[in-house]
Amino acid sequence: SQQGEEDPQALSIQEGENATMNCSYKTSINNLQWYRQNSGRGLVHLILIRSNEREKHSGRLRVTLDTSKKSSSLLITASRAADTASYFCATDGIQGAQKLVFGQGTRLTINP
Amino acid sequence: DGGITQSPKYLFRKEGQNVTLSCEQNLNHDAMYWYRQDPGQGLRLIYYSQIVNDFQKGDIAEGYSVSREKKESFPLTVTSAQKNPTAFYLCASARLAGDTGELFFGEGSRLTVL
Repeated sequence: SQQGEEDPQALSIQEGENATMNCSYKTSINNLQWYRQNSGRGLVHLILIRSNEREKHSGRLRVTLDTSKKSSSLLITASRAADTASYFCATDGIQGAQKLVFGQGTRLTINP
Repeated sequence: DGGITQSPKYLFRKEGQNVTLSCEQNLNHDAMYWYRQDPGQGLRLIYYSQIVNDFQKGDIAEGYSVSREKKESFPLTVTSAQKNPTAFYLCASARLAGDTGELFFGEGSRLTVL
């Protein structure tokens, strides 16, 4: 079952611009995470935000969480060509708290 | 360096053959997971294990089998019963059993059925 859905499915911007990706989910959560995947590689954890948090920063990354709307956003500021990758949100569920469920991802392309 | 090692990176199989994908971790993590990823798609959970000698089915377990005889190893067998096995397979681990925090991923194994 797919818990999270990312929007847009694909995003292409110029280097230096900001990139915003959104994730919506269906059930209550303990936390929401964002991962990055370079083409043909494994996923790398970027950031985790807990259900009682509204915003979190890590370097050029800013994540927000709105539990009332069951949605999250990932903002990458001052994008670089090396940010080109797919980005996935992952959620747990309070009832099934032993596993993460991933969305289908946003494919981000940064044009030099 | 600690991490997760998946092998082989690429694997070709004829229809009707079973194949086993290896996943080894030296992070001393309790929990291990297998996910399947199809082109342009997200990850779907196949099996997961919280402790040695115990594992649970995920969302798409049919046609797959696993074992967890050692803490550091969680091999996945793709059996001939799996109707569409061509995919990218990802193994992951988490520090604690029942923990839904950060997952650490291997680099994946790409299986192609000829």
